[in-house]
Amino acid sequence: DTEVTQTPKHLVMGMTNKKSLKCEQHMGHRAMYWYKQKAKKPPELMFVYSYEKLSINESVPSRFSPECPNSSLLNLHLHALQPEDSALYLCASSQRTGRAGELFFGEGSRLTVL
Amino acid sequence: AQTVTQSQPEMSVQEAETVTLSCTYDTSESDYYLFWYKQPPSRQMILVIRQEAYKQQNATENRFSVNFQKAAKSFSLKISDSQLGDAAMYFCAYRAVDVTGNQFYFGTGTSLTVIP
Repeated sequence: DTEVTQTPKHLVMGMTNKKSLKCEQHMGHRAMYWYKQKAKKPPELMFVYSYEKLSINESVPSRFSPECPNSSLLNLHLHALQPEDSALYLCASSQRTGRAGELFFGEGSRLTVL
Repeated sequence: AQTVTQSQPEMSVQEAETVTLSCTYDTSESDYYLFWYKQPPSRQMILVIRQEAYKQQNATENRFSVNFQKAAKSFSLKISDSQLGDAAMYFCAYRAVDVTGNQFYFGTGTSLTVIP
């Protein structure tokens, strides 16, 4: 199983809503990532979890709150978002270290904030 | 910090022809990975090919091959016999191979159009 599964695929929310994005992988990877991507731009790193601990937070606004309940799951809780937060949110995973290396991406959750 | 540069925002190629996408990077590390990722419109980002810096031999995957010039810090992707399905955004990426190597650095991408 070499898949990263993200739900929902599409999400529309108002600026006062609270919603969550979910990500799951069963490859035994111990590093999981959230990226934000705008059209025709590279992914922008938001958060990295390593062994279920937050290891990188790229100065993301507090209206985005990550959570890693276990080694297979990663959530991104959304609250009081702004229209400029509309984007494709990508989850990815990789082996923690060592000579394997690549990122495996999910299909993404396309978020629209009204 | 490491930087990855893709100097070609857009490229086009005739179907069945060959095209080369450029990527340069800056690092002080001697051991690292380089990747090319493909992202078709509204579709998943997938790995095309990867290169380990300690390997001198250029990586190949079917119609995709790289020209890895470590001293020049250059990592170009050659697509041979281009197909319509190759149309996508292509991102070059770098990752260090050490205990801090959870950070991937992406270039700005090259949008490839394949002309029938």
